[in-house]
Amino acid sequence: DAKTTQPPSMDCAEGRAANLPCNHSTISGNEYVYWYRQIHSQGPQYIIHGLKNNETNEMASLIITEDRKSSTLILPHATLRDTAVYYCIVRVEHAGNMLTFGGGTRLMVKP
Amino acid sequence: DTGVSQDPRHKITKRGQNVTFRCDPISEHNRLYWYRQTLGQGPEFLTYFQNEAQLEKSRLLSDRFSAERPKGSFSTLEIQRTEQGDSAMYLCASSLHAGNTEAFFGQGTRLTVV
Repeated sequence: DAKTTQPPSMDCAEGRAANLPCNHSTISGNEYVYWYRQIHSQGPQYIIHGLKNNETNEMASLIITEDRKSSTLILPHATLRDTAVYYCIVRVEHAGNMLTFGGGTRLMVKP
Repeated sequence: DTGVSQDPRHKITKRGQNVTFRCDPISEHNRLYWYRQTLGQGPEFLTYFQNEAQLEKSRLLSDRFSAERPKGSFSTLEIQRTEQGDSAMYLCASSLHAGNTEAFFGQGTRLTVV
């Protein structure tokens, strides 16, 4: 699976949009981009995933660049409960389908 | 259905003792995964099951570790002769089937070896 690069930490003001970047310059054509987050003392939680088109669900939006070398997770109106570590993962759809987590981005939402 | 359940939530054991953790996946999920997470790091894959078959094991899974899923439902992870380096959060996840599906994680079992 391709390697991802994320900033180690970010701050965001409550009520503002949080834009979390991820670099995956070695992504291959059959690899999906997944985002999970982990709130303190809990297991990771799935947020969203995509292949090449932008995706939106009730939690977030995922913007993937046309060359697929990078993506941005957008939390449109961040709340204090969105404070967590956010992991960007690229994953090929193969038999194992296990997730390879990197260091993630620690997002701190401040009042 | 209340999601993936893990038991116990916390375990403190003396070095050299054996410990066993249990994971109950979401019903009808035929994929079950075990991960380990140390402080400040992302989770690391240990092993996974497709129904009762253990299909892949990470190099992190030493001979002291064994996992089972005897009837394709709950799973157990046993660590024999625990070492201080085994102290970590052990996470279980399940997913519906192979392919492009999301994995649901439990809250983990925090192991402390003293």
